[in-house]
Amino acid sequence: EAQVTQNPRYLITVTGKKLTVTCSQNMNHEYMSWYRQDPGLGLRQIYYSMNVEVTDKGDVPEGYKVSRKEKRNFPLILESPSPNQTSLYFCASSLYPGVSEAFFGQGTRLTVV
Amino acid sequence: SQQGEEDPQALSIQEGENATMNCSYKTSINNLQWYRQNSGRGLVHLILIRSNEREKHSGRLRVTLDTSKKSSSLLITASRAADTASYFCATAGASGYSTLTFGKGTMLLVSP
Repeated sequence: EAQVTQNPRYLITVTGKKLTVTCSQNMNHEYMSWYRQDPGLGLRQIYYSMNVEVTDKGDVPEGYKVSRKEKRNFPLILESPSPNQTSLYFCASSLYPGVSEAFFGQGTRLTVV
Repeated sequence: SQQGEEDPQALSIQEGENATMNCSYKTSINNLQWYRQNSGRGLVHLILIRSNEREKHSGRLRVTLDTSKKSSSLLITASRAADTASYFCATAGASGYSTLTFGKGTMLLVSP
């Protein structure tokens, strides 16, 4: 079954404690991206990757890092989380960015206290 | 940057009625896509309409695109309680491969 898998689904952490949210897809897609979703603001793109070792900033990259060492994995790293990063995070992948459908993970609800 | 803007923000109807949601955008696009999101879950792709298409159907879904007005509409016919969800439009830039830009969504509630 084609899918994008994110882990964990829920995470509560304290300010400043580094964390990683993993994302993996089994469709051999080259394009992957991370979004955050906040009430009243919709989905905003954090980072995206066109291929292995190729990443670029989205609209709201501050406070986040990503890496793309393998095609299937695209982890999101918060080196020093702050309360304003409390949000619902989604990883997505697609065959061709923008011209084919995007597949989304189930989301990671992060709370930073 | 937010490109699509859905209207209305929220819509409440009875089962069996039709639901219409609109999306407006600002710049030229390659295509426009509609996604559905059940509460707190991942988005699911519904339909993609290219800039040279005017209408597309998929089951009970009908999407129209008017590039002169930079707007699209999603019609769900004979709605069911299971259609209760948020619906988002997403646009892809005209230049080819590009990131998707999502609107803020329309929350649809279908009451039995």
